[in-house]
Amino acid sequence: EAQVVESGGGLVQPGGSLRLSCAASGFSSSGYLMNWVRQAPGKGLEWVATIKQNESAKYYVESVKGRFTIFRDNPKKSVYLEMKSLRAEDTAVYFCARVSILGMDVWGQGTTVTVSS
Amino acid sequence: EIVLTQSPATLSLSPGEGATLSCRATQSVGSSFLGWYQQKPGQAPRLLIYGTSNRATGTPDRFSGSGSGTDFTLTITRLEPEDFAVYYCQQYGPSPPLTFGGGTKVEI
Repeated sequence: EAQVVESGGGLVQPGGSLRLSCAASGFSSSGYLMNWVRQAPGKGLEWVATIKQNESAKYYVESVKGRFTIFRDNPKKSVYLEMKSLRAEDTAVYFCARVSILGMDVWGQGTTVTVSS
Repeated sequence: EIVLTQSPATLSLSPGEGATLSCRATQSVGSSFLGWYQQKPGQAPRLLIYGTSNRATGTPDRFSGSGSGTDFTLTITRLEPEDFAVYYCQQYGPSPPLTFGGGTKVEI
């Protein structure tokens, strides 16, 4: 069964940094685009970043450009989201999701990031 | 960037009734790249419909999707208790950004 599991969330002060990890199992993650999506408390889903299979292209929502970096380690079947200069508005549950021709068809349970002093 | 607007924001219905959820885009969306997701409290979203009208694995046939261009619809016939949730449309291609609509909450 295809699965992804996120980790790395936590409480961080404004201006701080955090690295989220997404570990894939049950499928060859190197063959897929991978995504991060976030959901602020009580709000809807917001796409954050996408990375192509061979890292040839990376895409970000405007609000995180220059602060967040998505990267992957295909031999480790992992995708990461490096987050810097964190703001209160980055507080959210961050989901990792696989992108196929079907859309985002495999989701993790999410990891919570809280930015607060 | 394509913006998706879902309506209504909330649907108050009873089990056994039908539901019609709308998703409108600011630009034309390829029919292959429009999907619907279901999210229950405390859970990750789950892919329901892909390519406008194709049910994902495990999606009951009471769920159906339709539409083209800028107007898309998710229809749920005969609501079951487990169908009360928030539903999101999303456009996912051919390249990012991959935008979501604001969601429609189907409540009892």
